[in-house]
Amino acid sequence: DIQLTQSPSTLSASVGDRVTITCRASQSLSSWLAWYQQKPGKAPKVLIYKASTLESGVPSRFSGSGSGTEYTLTINSLQPDDFATYYCQHYGSYSYSFGQGTKLEIK
Amino acid sequence: QLQLQESGPGLVTTSETLSLTCSVSGGSISSSGFYWGWIRQPPGQGLEWIGSISYSGNTYYNPSLKSRVTISVDTSKKQFSLKLGSVTAADTALYYCARDKSVSFYFDSWGQGTLVAVSS
Repeated sequence: DIQLTQSPSTLSASVGDRVTITCRASQSLSSWLAWYQQKPGKAPKVLIYKASTLESGVPSRFSGSGSGTEYTLTINSLQPDDFATYYCQHYGSYSYSFGQGTKLEIK
Repeated sequence: QLQLQESGPGLVTTSETLSLTCSVSGGSISSSGFYWGWIRQPPGQGLEWIGSISYSGNTYYNPSLKSRVTISVDTSKKQFSLKLGSVTAADTALYYCARDKSVSFYFDSWGQGTLVAVSS
């Protein structure tokens, strides 16, 4: 099984900052990597799929990149609405797995 | 606008079977290129995929849960269902149903989730 490890687990930042969250895999991935945002009491919302494709309706300040075993989610110019928990998700061998999550907090 | 809504008991007795249904509205459950999935989230913890099903009944399950899970679909009712057997307290979680965009392998539409507690 492929394990996904996100770092950091918690990230403190200010409005206007640029932040990066990393998702590392125990094996090389096939770029079937998605990123989700989850706010308290709400279902996750997809931001990025196929490592770098922005889901329709998602602001362009969100971007994804990566290959092999390391993928990143970058948020440019943080907005108050962006403080939430972020998860990466991979598909491979007829199975999905999620990272453990990164909580983005207001500094 | 596609909407998914989970329903089912909020409390299940230890060793019994957890049963949930997801109702799909605002779109077709029989569209090609999509599966329909279940994901859960224990309180204060991360997300765990349980399994997914196509409109024709093809299924794939999380290997760690496979022995206890059955997912089925009823296209006439626009519903798909989850059964999880031999539950323990570790199965207490918020259970989400979601549309699995199987051509790109991610979940693009989610229900609001339903909390299921397992207790003796």
